[in-house]
Amino acid sequence: DTAVSQTPKYLVTQMGNDKSIKCEQNLGHDTMYWYKQDSKKFLKIMFSYNNKELIINETVPNRFSPKSPDKAHLNLHINSLELGDSAVYFCASSQRGKFEAFFGQGTRLTVV
Amino acid sequence: GQQLNQSPQSMFIQEGEDVSMNCTSSSIFNTWLWYKQDPGEGPVLLIALYKAGELTSNGRLTAQFGITRKDSFLNISASIPSDVGIYFCAGLTHFGNEKLTFGTGTRLTIIP
Repeated sequence: DTAVSQTPKYLVTQMGNDKSIKCEQNLGHDTMYWYKQDSKKFLKIMFSYNNKELIINETVPNRFSPKSPDKAHLNLHINSLELGDSAVYFCASSQRGKFEAFFGQGTRLTVV
Repeated sequence: GQQLNQSPQSMFIQEGEDVSMNCTSSSIFNTWLWYKQDPGEGPVLLIALYKAGELTSNGRLTAQFGITRKDSFLNISASIPSDVGIYFCAGLTHFGNEKLTFGTGTRLTIIP
């Protein structure tokens, strides 16, 4: 019973392609996030959604577009992939007001 | 923006030794969280701290919320091989957009 699950776990693609990463949580949380972890392991928030509404949008290129069809899902679509997009992307969720975020296993994106 | 600096950046210890690491910020936080990340996995929450001065334990782990609200400490007693990983502190302010700011990480290695 995976609490926060992401697919795919690995994604290798060529520059210029468009790709999506899916995330689902079965914890009943109403807030979901996307984080990016770079090669130095630094974790930085990208987006936050609460009940399908965008709450936080950090300085992320417009090529990144999150979509939340319902509060249990938050997908990340990336257009025109660039080499610098290579990183591990983590989905997370929390209950609003509790703040403790639970993370998925991550999606390692490699752009070649 | 807010930055969280963790020290040490890496630690090499022998099994059975105690470990201490800390996290300092230039800004005040209202909540401190400590996470552990194993290779190929997402961060897992270890301890959450909500009040200045609070001392909380979770098994062999003990964390403290600094009185100034600008720092936090994590101690691991009697380390075992499965303690290997990267430890992250994360801070949260409760004003405006609520988002976790992660520290730079402390990589713990246990020497056989």
